[in-house]
Amino acid sequence: GDSVTQMEGPVTLSEEAFLTINCTYTATGYPSLFWYVQYPGEGLQLLLKATKADDKGSNKGFEATYRKETTSFHLEKGSVQVSDSAVYFCALSDDNDMRFGAGTRLTVKP
Amino acid sequence: DSGVTQTPKHLITATGQRVTLRCSPRSGDLSVYWYQQSLDQGLQFLIQYYNGEERAKGNILERFSAQQFPDLHSELNLSSLELGDSALYFCASSVEGTGTGNSPLHFGNGTRLTVT
Repeated sequence: GDSVTQMEGPVTLSEEAFLTINCTYTATGYPSLFWYVQYPGEGLQLLLKATKADDKGSNKGFEATYRKETTSFHLEKGSVQVSDSAVYFCALSDDNDMRFGAGTRLTVKP
Repeated sequence: DSGVTQTPKHLITATGQRVTLRCSPRSGDLSVYWYQQSLDQGLQFLIQYYNGEERAKGNILERFSAQQFPDLHSELNLSSLELGDSALYFCASSVEGTGTGNSPLHFGNGTRLTVT
């Protein structure tokens, strides 16, 4: 079945560093792809999405491009802040349900 | 605020007991999803309802059951609880029946269940 694999954490960066969190997927059809973020003590929040190949989702300085040729949807941010510390989940949606990756914990130090 | 309300926020109970978790979806959303989040297994999809009917089933144990009522709120019932059932249980809602690009999931803040 469809699945999502994302890089294991935790990831620790200094403020203003460049962030990449890798995500690859396996799907038989043409899924939509998402990044969700979970701040401490809260539920998941949609960060960005892309619904077809070559689409770029962006929000709050984060961006990810739907790459069909490499079946990837890597999350990037040019300059992270302490407030970006959270757990990031890559997710895939097909006709049946939403499948999440295992999550990557990001800690940004001042 | 996602608009999804989950109660209670915390629940502590003993092994063998039964509990009910409640979820009110975002206004206008017809679909409700339940997920279990534990430290070692990440976010596991349990079950989905759309407009009162079961739409999809994931890794839900037979000891667990759920339903969606006519007013669209949903309840997740966990029975014969075991220590390993301790986890965060999230409810999410969406407008449509599937988590498509036009209908992403909106999550509640979860219910933390501790089984002692």
